[in-house]
Amino acid sequence: DAKTTQPTSMDCAEGRAANLPCNHSTISGNEYVYWYRQIHSQGPQYIIHGLKNNETNEMASLIITEDRKSSTLILPHATLRDTAVYYCIAPTTLTGGGNKLTFGTGTQLKVEL
Amino acid sequence: KAGVTQTPRYLIKTRGQQVTLSCSPISGHRSVSWYQQTPGQGLQFLFEYFSETQRNKGNFPGRFSGRQFSNSRSEMNVSTLELGDSALYLCASSPAYNSPLHFGNGTRLTVT
Repeated sequence: DAKTTQPTSMDCAEGRAANLPCNHSTISGNEYVYWYRQIHSQGPQYIIHGLKNNETNEMASLIITEDRKSSTLILPHATLRDTAVYYCIAPTTLTGGGNKLTFGTGTQLKVEL
Repeated sequence: KAGVTQTPRYLIKTRGQQVTLSCSPISGHRSVSWYQQTPGQGLQFLFEYFSETQRNKGNFPGRFSGRQFSNSRSEMNVSTLELGDSALYLCASSPAYNSPLHFGNGTRLTVT
């Protein structure tokens, strides 16, 4: 029941903006888009989420297209520590309440000097 | 605020044994979810607890079980371990519906 599509890998130069795209053309109107990242041997780290409007926090910005079929996660000044697998997820609402995250393969972002 | 704490960090067990993993959620978070991560299958949902009740369960055999205590701490148990149970087991907590999940760093289980 994966609802998102992401490129397998991307490279970015340190100090430059990293723009990670995600296609979610089948999500419904009330489903949020969440972004997580996972650095090797650690648990996934929540980054940001949004529904319709663009969102920004201390870690990143999230740009969602007006038709909500795609979004872009922006890391404004990527550092080596941002090297990780980035997951774009549209949670599945469970019948018993709560949400389930279905993780795809994500985008392996490699930040280089 | 302390994050999600999982213990132990690493565990080695023998096939046929059972294992119990522990998770302490972020203070105030009442929902706890468990995920299994393997290189072949990626991250897969195991189950979710809210106020001591299992609300949802993923597609795992009955050997996988869990519980949540009144203080929201959770444990998961795997009985009759198989080699294929070797994985990173992740616990995540959230305060409410449609709130982000916050993950611990997992317990790395190796079954020999």
